[in-house]
Amino acid sequence: ETGVTQSPTHLIKTRGQQVTLRCSSQSGHNTVSWYQQALGQGPQFIFQYYREEENGRGNFPPRFSGLQFPNYSSELNVNALELDDSALYLCASSLGTSFSGELFFGEGSRLTVL
Amino acid sequence: DQQVKQNSPSLSVQEGRISILNCDYTNSMFDYFLWYKKYPAEGPTFLISISSIKDKNEDGRFTVFLNKSAKHLSLHIVPSQPGDSAVYFCAAPRTGNQFYFGTGTSLTVIP
Repeated sequence: ETGVTQSPTHLIKTRGQQVTLRCSSQSGHNTVSWYQQALGQGPQFIFQYYREEENGRGNFPPRFSGLQFPNYSSELNVNALELDDSALYLCASSLGTSFSGELFFGEGSRLTVL
Repeated sequence: DQQVKQNSPSLSVQEGRISILNCDYTNSMFDYFLWYKKYPAEGPTFLISISSIKDKNEDGRFTVFLNKSAKHLSLHIVPSQPGDSAVYFCAAPRTGNQFYFGTGTSLTVIP
């Protein structure tokens, strides 16, 4: 059984650039959730994708967007990067969207915006 | 607004003693709560949960207590072991399995 994998693990961008982060869900999981963890903070919910459709969004601006593919892998795209976007971005996969669908997190992608 | 709060950023405990990690929440409609544990360079992993219809849930060395009137939950680890050193997050559902997380408490268990 393959766990959740994220790429890249680290990256550095400059303000105004765009970034794409990728996540491969655990085998058999059809739901992917993305979280942003800023330094010293807890993970904050960005959005969730279920069967290729957005299924809930947190308090993040539209320049944060996502996709889920037929194999249930997912991308997080952030446009017009700002310094405050520097954070660890965590992807979590689950089987379904109900409360019983345990989240399995990847190791995260650490984004630094200069 | 912070729906789930962990007011202690860090905690140090001697090996073998009890570790108590606290969490407060604002929304009385939350119907269950979870604790996640995170080691450096790893993603958070699920530790234990509790339904709002219970006031205690136990799993081995880990026990979570829920005080609904105080909107407070706590995680007890007994006995604490050096391998328990990690950051612990409490979480509550915004809906389904989409969560509000607290800011975390970094636990250090001293051998």
